[in-house]
Amino acid sequence: NAGVMQNPRHLVRRRGQEARLRCSPMKGHSHVYWYRQLPEEGLKFMVYLQKENIIDESGMPKERFSAEFPKEGPSILRIQQVVRGDSAAYFCASSPLLAGGGNTEAFFGQGTRLTVV
Amino acid sequence: GQNIDQPTEMTATEGAIVQINCTYQTSGFNGLFWYQQHAGEAPTFLSYNVLDGLEEKGRFSSFLSRSKGYSYLLLKELQMKDSASYLCAVSLSGAGSYQLTFGKGTKLSVIP
Repeated sequence: NAGVMQNPRHLVRRRGQEARLRCSPMKGHSHVYWYRQLPEEGLKFMVYLQKENIIDESGMPKERFSAEFPKEGPSILRIQQVVRGDSAAYFCASSPLLAGGGNTEAFFGQGTRLTVV
Repeated sequence: GQNIDQPTEMTATEGAIVQINCTYQTSGFNGLFWYQQHAGEAPTFLSYNVLDGLEEKGRFSSFLSRSKGYSYLLLKELQMKDSASYLCAVSLSGAGSYQLTFGKGTKLSVIP
């Protein structure tokens, strides 16, 4: 059973370009979470999705960031018109049940390291 | 707001025991997770505590005191491969329990 797969592992974008980060959850997992890790900071929650639904996007910046988890295919985190401050590691996690409250841990992918130049 | 504190760095000797502390101040508390993260890799689950007390799992143990807002991760018989960052994360009570609030992590270096 493959783990959470994220691609690309490393992504370089120029200011103003778009970044698309992909996450394939573990088989059988229908809950997906995105976290961002800025340099010297802890992981920060961004968004929680189930298939075709955004459940909680309270951690997402209001502009330029969007996320989806379509019926078929991976979850996508999209950053439009990237700026230098978007440079960070973006981690995706998945769980078979709702993570946290039910003693169900979230399984993390290896992350996508975005560098904006 | 939520505040989770853990030491930035620690160094310990191979074969020794090390204790990594974590204190938290949060509005609502459901449980506390510890994750291990090697450089450039995914955080991997180590332990989960929801009740007070010690949970032992092989060389790793985790302790929780809810009244003191305190947890620690104990690593015994340290091995070189234990050099990694250790992340303390709190799950809050209520509808947002799936959101983990992470500390900045403790970078542990194991030396021969």
